[in-house]
Order: sequence, then C-alpha cells, then structure tokens
Amino acid sequence: DAGVTQSPTHLIKTRGQQVTLRCSPKSGHDTVSWYQQALGQGPQFIFQYYEEEERQRGNFPDRFSGHQFPNYSSELNVNALLLGDSALYLCASSWGWDEQYFGPGTRLTVT
Amino acid sequence: GENVEQHPSTLSVQEGDSAVIKCTYSDSASNYFPWYKQELGKRPQLIIDIRSNVGEKKDQRIAVTLNKTAKHFSLHITETQPEDSAVYFCAAIGSGGADGLTFGKGTHLIIQP
Repeated sequence: DAGVTQSPTHLIKTRGQQVTLRCSPKSGHDTVSWYQQALGQGPQFIFQYYEEEERQRGNFPDRFSGHQFPNYSSELNVNALLLGDSALYLCASSWGWDEQYFGPGTRLTVT
Repeated sequence: GENVEQHPSTLSVQEGDSAVIKCTYSDSASNYFPWYKQELGKRPQLIIDIRSNVGEKKDQRIAVTLNKTAKHFSLHITETQPEDSAVYFCAAIGSGGADGLTFGKGTHLIIQP
C-alpha cells in the first residue's frame, strides 16, 4: 500500500516564475490538504481539496491555487514567486478531515 | 481562527527518563488533536491523536492527555530512547473540521545517552 507521494523532491526557481507541485494521496483517502513549512517552524495550512473543490483556505494569497483530479491526486500552483515562498511544501491526505498523513514534501528554493 | 501554543521549544532528557510536551489551544470548538514527530529532513509522522470525547489515550510508551476545560493537551513519552530524538509538533483542528490543522511551533526533544 503506497503512502502519500509528492513530486518533485527539490525545485529551484527564479523570482517571478510559476511552479506546480504534485501530490498523490494514500490509497483510500479522498481529501488532500497542502501546507507550507518554513525552516524551524510548524506547517501552515494553505488549503484543502475534497470532491475536486477547494473546501477551505488558510491565510495565503491568491497566487497560491490548486486543483484536485478525479483520482484524488492534487496539484499546488504558485504564481509570481517571491523569495519568501522558499519552503518545504507538504501535502497530507486523509479520509475525511482528520488523521492526516503527510507526504515527503517538495523543497522549493526561490532565487 | 485557532491558535496553538507549544512548550517547551527545546527539551533535553536523559535516556530512560520521561518527557512531557504541553500545548494550549484557543478555539473551544476544536475536537481533534494529533501529535506529529518530524526527524531532520523527513516528513511529519502521525504518532498519536486524541478526540475531544476522550480524556487520555495511550500507545505503548506514548500517551496523550486532554483537558477540554483548560484547553490544553500534553504528550507524554516514557522510557525515552535515542530514536525518540526529533522535533514534535502538536496540532488542532478548529470548528468545522475543514480549516486544516493548526500547528504549534514544535519542541526539539534531545535524548542524552
């Protein structure tokens, strides 16, 4: 049984560029949540997808957008990258909203 | 929204001793409280969780207690081992369940041999 997977592992982008991160949930899970983890901090909630719709959003600007596909996988898109967007991006999958299991993350560096 | 405070930020204990990490939350409607362990460069790993209809939950050397009146919950690790060294995060989900997890700032647990 595959756990939560994310791609790519690492990514380096330039300010102003756009990036797409991908997440495949654990088998049997229907909900995907995205988090941003800055160095030395706890993860911060970006948004959550359920039934292909954004169900709730944290305190992140519209530059952050996402999508969920019929197979429950999800993408996180970030436009107009800023230096401050450099972080570890984690997705978590769950059946319902609790018991969230995290993927290994994508380390994004913006230069 | 929900706010979670976690203490201490660093905790050093002798191998074999117990460790306790405490968290408080602000939203009285929160009803799910997980704990995650994150080793350096790894994903956060769910180690135990508790729901608001339960006061205590135990899994081998790990236990979590919840005091809804005081709005605080704690992680207890007994007979600590070197592999327990990691950063531990508490979290809570606010009312409605779809707000996402709100995390504390983490506790760096160091097990001294």
